[in-house]
Formats: sequence, C-alpha cells, structure tokens
Amino acid sequence: DGGITQSPKYLFRKEGQNVTLSCEQNLNHDAMYWYRQDPGQGLRLIYYSQIVNDFQKGDIAEGYSVSREKKESFPLTVTSAQKNPTAFYLCASSIESTDNEQFFGPGTRLTVL
Amino acid sequence: AQSVTQPDIHITVSEGASLELRCNYSYGATPYLFWYVQSPGQGLQLLLKYFSGDTLVQGIKGFEAEFKRSQSSFNLRKPSVHWSDAAEYFCAVGADGNQFYFGTGTSLTVIP
Repeated sequence: DGGITQSPKYLFRKEGQNVTLSCEQNLNHDAMYWYRQDPGQGLRLIYYSQIVNDFQKGDIAEGYSVSREKKESFPLTVTSAQKNPTAFYLCASSIESTDNEQFFGPGTRLTVL
Repeated sequence: AQSVTQPDIHITVSEGASLELRCNYSYGATPYLFWYVQSPGQGLQLLLKYFSGDTLVQGIKGFEAEFKRSQSSFNLRKPSVHWSDAAEYFCAVGADGNQFYFGTGTSLTVIP
C-alpha cells in the first residue's frame, strides 16, 4: 500500500540534544513538507521541498534543518537551537501542483525532558 | 497575504443533530480549498476539496462543503452527526508554490 510513514511515533530528548525525525513516502510525490502542531495553533510549516536536493524555509524554520537526498525521504532534524521543541510533528507529501491535496503521515510526538 | 480563519475553536453537538463548521479564507486568486479531519494523535485525512465548478462539494463520511466566493467562505456541513465524527477539523487553502495555509482547527465533541 502506498503512503507516508513517520518514525518513531514517540520520541524523548534531553535538552541540548539534536534529534532526527524520519519521513518516508512511496507515493512517488515530488513535494514533501514538515509541519509543527501545537494545541490551538493549527499546523505551521517548518520546511518544504519541491524537488530532490532543494528545499525552502517555511514560517518557523529556526532551530530546524532538513535534507532531501532522495525523492522518498525528507528527514527533519530538531537542533538544540530550537527553544521549545516539544510538539507534534507531521510530514506530508503531494504531487507538485497547487490543486493537489497533501497526504499526511501519522505524526511523531517529540517531548523534551 | 493568504490566511484561513476558523472562528469556532470548539463545538459540541448531539448525536443525530446537524453540523456546520465555519471557514473563511483570504486569498487573492482563485482558491483551492480543503477540509481535513484529525483524530487524536493521528495524521490528517482529507474529507473533501474544491478547485472549480460546482460550489457544493461532496466528500467522504457524509460531509459536504459549500464554496461562497462573495463571503470568502467554505463551510463544512453534515446533516446527521455520528459519535465517530468527534475529532479536530481543519480548513486549508492551497496557494502558489504548493504551500498550504491551515486554519487553527475546530474541535468537535459529540454527545449521546
């Protein structure tokens, strides 16, 4: 079955540590996205990529980094520079066209201890 | 600038009652509009989408939405709510560059 997988589902991190969230898709989609979700704030765009080896900052990119070395994969690193990283992180992908929906993964809940 | 407003943070309805969730958008060009649903701790699932044509759009799980350009609205409706509809609902507008702009969501509680 085609879809988007995110791992792990739950992640715990100590302050000062970097952590990488995985996102893989087998939908053959060109575009991939990372969102952060906090209660009452909806989804906020962190980074997005429309093609391999290229990505753009979203609205809240500070403290995060990404790579897009393969079409199927778009990992997100939460660095120690992110001051408030505890949140629910969602990865999505879409065909590169404005009128196409985004397909979402199940999410990763990151908790900083 | 593009934006999406969902004025109702939380709505409670009785099972079997009708439902309307409000969504207003701000976008300069022809909007591409979406409604998604999210169960607790899960990803988002597409309910329906509007690109052009008929302004009344049918989706999954018995939901529909109506695009009203004059009111910049895209409200979601369901004639009879089921307990399993309890979830968070997000309205979104698709913009240039494949970016989506999401509303802050409406949490739906269904009481027996």
